[in-house]
Amino acid sequence: NAGVTQTPKFQVLKTGQSMTLQCAQDMNHNSMYWYRQDPGMGLRLIYYSASEGTTDKGEVPNGYNVSRLNKREFSLRLESAAPSQTSVYFCASRRDPRNEKLFFGSGTQLSVL
Amino acid sequence: AQSVSQHNHHVILSEAASLELGCNYSYGGTVNLFWYVQYPGQHLQLLLKYFSGDPLVKGIKGFEAEFIKSKFSFNLRKPSVQWSDTAEYFCAVSPGNTPLVFGKGTRLSVIA
Repeated sequence: NAGVTQTPKFQVLKTGQSMTLQCAQDMNHNSMYWYRQDPGMGLRLIYYSASEGTTDKGEVPNGYNVSRLNKREFSLRLESAAPSQTSVYFCASRRDPRNEKLFFGSGTQLSVL
Repeated sequence: AQSVSQHNHHVILSEAASLELGCNYSYGGTVNLFWYVQYPGQHLQLLLKYFSGDPLVKGIKGFEAEFIKSKFSFNLRKPSVQWSDTAEYFCAVSPGNTPLVFGKGTRLSVIA
């Protein structure tokens, strides 16, 4: 039972490069989320998808795009990476957007030089 | 916008000491409340949650939290901490069907 799987686990980019963070869940969850975690800032929501076919901006969406490819997969794209996007990125999912707990992936540590 | 405040950034306790971590939120309607824990090098795991009913919620590893609606608070407690409780603790609020809003976290260091 894999749960929420994120790839890659680590990535180093140069300013201006692009990359896509992949996330997949095998729990048949409807809602998926991308958060970033920075020291002293907690987790901040970047984008989310309440259900397949929908995406919405969170608190810090600038510089990111997302794709809900199907019910299982929710990718996060950085089109032109900036040093301010150096962070740990967590994907999460839950079955019901109203009151279920979140299941988290193991995170992607991204450094932008 | 909804916000979650965690009062302590870093708490240092000796083993067997009692723990209370504060959490206040700003949303006035019905909310679902959570405490998550992140052990060093790991992802977040759910400690406990409150949706409705008894405002005193018991979670895993001896943790509990009390929801006080009048104070917009959901404080986390543990009577006697262990070295293995060293971690970062996050309070989170989900107003209705919106995504979870997290506090900035409290780092707990337990020393022998």
